[in-house]
This record gives sequence, C-alpha cells and structure tokens, in this order.
Amino acid sequence: EDQVTQSPEALRLQEGESSSLNCSYTVSGLRGLFWYRQDPGKGPEFLFTLYSAGEEKEKERLKATLTKKESFLHITAPKPEDSATYLCAVQAWGSQGNLIFGKGTKLSVKP
Amino acid sequence: EAQVTQNPRYLITVTGKKLTVTCSQNMNHEYMSWYRQDPGLGLRQIYYSMNVEVTDKGDVPEGYKVSRKEKRNFPLILESPSPNQTSLYFCASSPRDTYNEQFFGPGTRLTVL
Repeated sequence: EDQVTQSPEALRLQEGESSSLNCSYTVSGLRGLFWYRQDPGKGPEFLFTLYSAGEEKEKERLKATLTKKESFLHITAPKPEDSATYLCAVQAWGSQGNLIFGKGTKLSVKP
Repeated sequence: EAQVTQNPRYLITVTGKKLTVTCSQNMNHEYMSWYRQDPGLGLRQIYYSMNVEVTDKGDVPEGYKVSRKEKRNFPLILESPSPNQTSLYFCASSPRDTYNEQFFGPGTRLTVL
C-alpha cells in the first residue's frame, strides 16, 4: 500500500533557526513527489515537484530534495511568515491523477 | 482573477438530506479533484477527473458522487449524508500537463448532525 509519513508533526523554531522537515514514502513506483504549504483556514498552495532521486528545487528560503525513500524540505533562516503546515504528496506510476498526501508538519516560527 | 470557487463555504445539515457542494474554476483546467481534510487523518482524495466526462475514485469515495459535464464545474454530491462525512472539503484544479501542481479552492466546512 502506498503511503506517506511526515515528521515531525509539529516544529517550533526561532526566527533565523534553520531546520528540515521530512517526508518518507512507500510507493510502488514514484512518478512524482510534491510539496504544498497550507495556511490556517485556506486551501493548500503548491510549492515544488520532484521527479527523481538527487533532484533539488529552491524557492526563497525553502529547498526541497529527494532520495529514493524520502524527501526533505529545508528551511533556511526562517521568518514568522513561513509559519504554516507543510504537506507532502506522492503519485505512483499508473495511478493517473491519484495523489496521496501525508498528514503534514505544522511549522511555527517565533520572532 | 484565476481562482477555484466553492459553494457553500459553510453548511450544517442533517443526516440523510441530499446536498451538493459546487466547485468551479475559471482557468480552463482539464484536471479537477475533491479532497476531505480531517484532524489526524490529513488530506484524502475522494474523486478526481482528468477531463470532461472522465472521473475516477480516489482513496475515500464511499458515500460520494461526482459528475463532470462541463470543463469548469465539478460538483460533489452527498446523496444521504452521515455524521462521519462531517469534514473540511477542498476542490482543486490544474492543467493536464502539470496536474500535480494543483490550485485549491477555499474549502467548504460541512457538519452533518
């Protein structure tokens, strides 16, 4: 069974304190792995797509990396506005448009 | 403005009373999808549609129906709602070529008493 596990469930950082969020996955054949950001009371917002091990994507203070078993979302020198829940999702080959999401990591950045 | 709209945003209903949650997008996207989000369970896919008249089950389709008669609309139908369908529902859309880069609607909070 395909599944996605994110850790930690919650993470509290001081402004400027860099850290990483983890997304480990089990899938029959990975077609793609996706990161989304969700603010309270809103729908998720797309951040990155990763397709193959070794691939990296960057956007402002965020950097996503992918291995054969997991993905990391690195946050460098975070600011309070980076506070949100970060969701990871995977799609397997042959699953068409079916995405499987993890439960998310709630990030709080204190000034 | 490019957007996905959902209506209603909030709904309280009773067990067994049929309801429809509408979803509309103005971006000419081929792909549309419905999710529910529950505390401790995360975001789970209910149904998705790759194009007009093409729909498929996600991970939790039981108790739901969908239809895709027009490209812009993808309504979610609960023919006999039950309390375990109390949840936050999201509709999403995306272009066919990048259908994992989804645009999400604002959500519909449904309570079934």
